[in-house]
Amino acid sequence: QVQLVQSGAEVKKPGASVKISCKASGYTFTANSIHWVRQAPGQSLEWVGWINTGNGKTKYSQQFQDRVTLTRDTSASTAYMEINSLRSEDTAVFYCAREDYDFWRDYVKFDSWGQGTLVTVSS
Amino acid sequence: DIVMTQSPLTLPVTPGEPASVSCWSSQSLLHTNEYNYLNWYLQKPGQSPQLLIYLGSNRASGVPDRFSGSGSGTDFRLKINRVEAEDVGVYYCMQTLQTPYTFGQGTKLEIK
Repeated sequence: QVQLVQSGAEVKKPGASVKISCKASGYTFTANSIHWVRQAPGQSLEWVGWINTGNGKTKYSQQFQDRVTLTRDTSASTAYMEINSLRSEDTAVFYCAREDYDFWRDYVKFDSWGQGTLVTVSS
Repeated sequence: DIVMTQSPLTLPVTPGEPASVSCWSSQSLLHTNEYNYLNWYLQKPGQSPQLLIYLGSNRASGVPDRFSGSGSGTDFRLKINRVEAEDVGVYYCMQTLQTPYTFGQGTKLEIK
């Protein structure tokens, strides 16, 4: 079955960087793009960006594009999200989600999610 | 960016009773192909979100038929025919018509 397993919780100081991983199993990794979603404490969900795991193409929400880098390692079936210049407002749970893409309708839905990674930014 | 707005923010429901969540978008989500680019997700307590409805009205695999989605353009609704205890959590609508994909604020369903 499809599984996305994320790396563990992180505690970072303001100004530091963090790199979160999302390991996929149960399907062909390069067949489905991976999206990242942020959820601040008690808040809704925010789309961070997307990586095409086949060709490495990325797209970011304007809010995150200056500080976030999405990459992937196809040999390890793993996607990564790195956030630079962390600030206290970045404290959140970050989810990776697998994209199920309907080619004929150009339609995207997230059909499987990782368990989430809590990033705490505190001095 | 497309703004998604949900109502109510909290929804107390008696088990066995129906429930409804509304979602509005600041721009029409009706594509030229006549499909609405709207998904519904449920985030149960302590869990990751799970897909319930896609294309506005299609149930995802394994979703009970007591869940249904309707609406078109800018006005959408998620209905639960008879709420069960396992339906508690926060319901989110999400548009995938254009990036950045955006979510509603969430509607927390509680059992009375």
